[in-house]
Amino acid sequence: RKEVEQDPGPFNVPEGATVAFNCTYSNSASQSFFWYRQDCRKEPKLLMSVYSSGNEDGRFTAQLNRASQYISLLIRDSKLSDSATYLCVVSKMDSSYKLIFGSGTRLLVRP
Amino acid sequence: SQTIHQWPATLVQPVGSPLSLECTVEGTSNPNLYWYRQAAGRGLQLLFYSVGIGQISSEVPQNLSASRPQDRQFILSSKKLLLSDSGFYLCAWSRIWGGAFPDTQYFGPGTRLTVL
Repeated sequence: RKEVEQDPGPFNVPEGATVAFNCTYSNSASQSFFWYRQDCRKEPKLLMSVYSSGNEDGRFTAQLNRASQYISLLIRDSKLSDSATYLCVVSKMDSSYKLIFGSGTRLLVRP
Repeated sequence: SQTIHQWPATLVQPVGSPLSLECTVEGTSNPNLYWYRQAAGRGLQLLFYSVGIGQISSEVPQNLSASRPQDRQFILSSKKLLLSDSGFYLCAWSRIWGGAFPDTQYFGPGTRLTVL
């Protein structure tokens, strides 16, 4: 089983749609959770850190479910510029301070 | 504010040639530093990480090596490149807070390496 699993997509949605991504992780001791965005041929950039209580940033909402070991990202009112690959990231939780990156979910927003 | 630089942006090298990629961070001290590789259409693979000058941990056996000669400088090297070394090489830094948990990693713009 992969440490972090994501549906690779692509999710193909019209502008204005609401789309949700889920991610599952295997290490129940993980403490830090993030969503990164990666545009084609660019570096990953932090989209949101995910707090235990969930958090919202504009059109983006992240939720954490520790009992079921999954993280979600909800994007409301999708824009063309939201087209990218979204990476789910979880802490390794050993002494190495490493993060484990999922393989990403690709989102395509069409006009 | 902190910035991270990588160079070169693009590199085309023949099989068997040496490699040196450099990464520098500005605006912070004693960062954790990381080298990743991303093959075309694939996820990020952690290659090396460093928690201090001269301290390098390797994640996967390969013909690559890393060094950290200065606090904010991280170098990825190879003596002889293989075809399979082609990919997008990303350097990242993080700043550990609280002493217990990893912090957000911030990535440089990357180097796209093609080995022919």
